[in-house]
Amino acid sequence: QTVVTQEPSLTVSPGGTVTLTCASSTGAVTSGYHPNWFQQKPGQAPRALIYSTNNKHSWTPARFSGSLLGGKAALTLSGVQPEDEAEYYCLIHVGDARVFGGGTKLTVL
Amino acid sequence: QVQLVESGGDLVKPGGSLRLSCAASGFTFSNYYMSWIRQAPGMGLEWISYISGGSSDTKYGDSLTGRFTVSRDNAKRSLYLQINSLRVEDTAVYYCARDLGSGGGLDVWGQGTTVTVSS
Repeated sequence: QTVVTQEPSLTVSPGGTVTLTCASSTGAVTSGYHPNWFQQKPGQAPRALIYSTNNKHSWTPARFSGSLLGGKAALTLSGVQPEDEAEYYCLIHVGDARVFGGGTKLTVL
Repeated sequence: QVQLVESGGDLVKPGGSLRLSCAASGFTFSNYYMSWIRQAPGMGLEWISYISGGSSDTKYGDSLTGRFTVSRDNAKRSLYLQINSLRVEDTAVYYCARDLGSGGGLDVWGQGTTVTVSS
């Protein structure tokens, strides 16, 4: 059973840059895992941000970008805004299945 | 616009059964894979299952086979999740999402429906 690990929490200052990562217990995360990223604010459904490593949806703000970094999937927020405070989840494709990471609580302070 | 609306969540006793529904609008439902995801109170997201547009292809997450059954009715533009032998640990918000696979991920989500399992 694949376990996907994210930083439990991160803090960033407004206007700053932060990178969240997503690691797999089975080894390096590659483009073949088609990593996705989602944002969830309290009381709301998750919102898709990134698919297949670095592709943005039409509604994804330009300050969000996806990549692969040191064997992990990564989500970078540049020029962080107060409204970016949220929980962020990655998801990878493991064979035909999908597996979510445990989430990263991002605080903007 | 593309919209998904879940329903069917309820308070049920352990051992009971429930069928959740997800009504789709704004897109050609039969052309798309659909997924179910759940979130226990205060916890992260857990992917449950997907089903192909024609229902020929289904997949379930690890340890979730047996009690969960995904189905759909394209004529009714509806997705379903049958959960049997409910356990306290099945208490969660259940979401449906349009599943574009590697070509687009889980791009559109419903607002969720709440299942509470308690005696």
